[in-house]
Amino acid sequence: DNVLTQSPATLSLSPGERATLSCRASQNINSKFLVWYQQKPGQAPRFLIYGASNRATGIPDRFSGSGSGTDFTLTISRLEPEDFAVYYCHLYGGSYTFGQGTKLEV
Amino acid sequence: QVHLVQSGAEVRKPGDSVKVSCKASGYPFADIYMHWVRQTPGQGLEWVGWINPNTGGTNFAQKFQGRVTLTRDTSVSTAYMELPRLEPDDTAVYYCARDFYYDKNGGLDIWGPGTRVTVSS
Repeated sequence: DNVLTQSPATLSLSPGERATLSCRASQNINSKFLVWYQQKPGQAPRFLIYGASNRATGIPDRFSGSGSGTDFTLTISRLEPEDFAVYYCHLYGGSYTFGQGTKLEV
Repeated sequence: QVHLVQSGAEVRKPGDSVKVSCKASGYPFADIYMHWVRQTPGQGLEWVGWINPNTGGTNFAQKFQGRVTLTRDTSVSTAYMELPRLEPDDTAVYYCARDFYYDKNGGLDIWGPGTRVTVSS
């Protein structure tokens, strides 16, 4: 199975700063199947990015995704207070693997 | 507005079974696969399986193959997940999530609020 490893486990930043989150796959993947979610405490995951770089409906343009092969990145250009959450990458298809998450904290 | 509404929290003893429901609204239920994902503190997010509501066909993560049952009732736009022979490690929040497939890109776009299942003697 393809394993997704996210780094860092925790990222401490302030509002207004830029956040860069990494997701590394153990094997090459089709970027069309790389997905990012945001999860806040007590809530379900929220669909953020699909196909590695496409924003889901209603997602602000400060969120962007990039990458190919085994290395993928979620970037939040200017952090807003509501962006502090846990972010997961996900491989759609096959075993539908999730990364272990990156906690973005103030 | 697309919504997934799940059944309420459950407490079970080891060896019991649990059945969680997920009622969909706002879209043609039979046309889109439904996934189940669970979340535990130790294992994070873990995909359980999906059901094709149109045919009833299913697919499971290897870990859950032969153990979990996914069913649906299209007359009430509801998907179900049944987990028998519960163990304390099955304590988790169980989510249903709608499949998303567009322009050969995939994902899970709409999630239910989750159902907390606690297994304890």
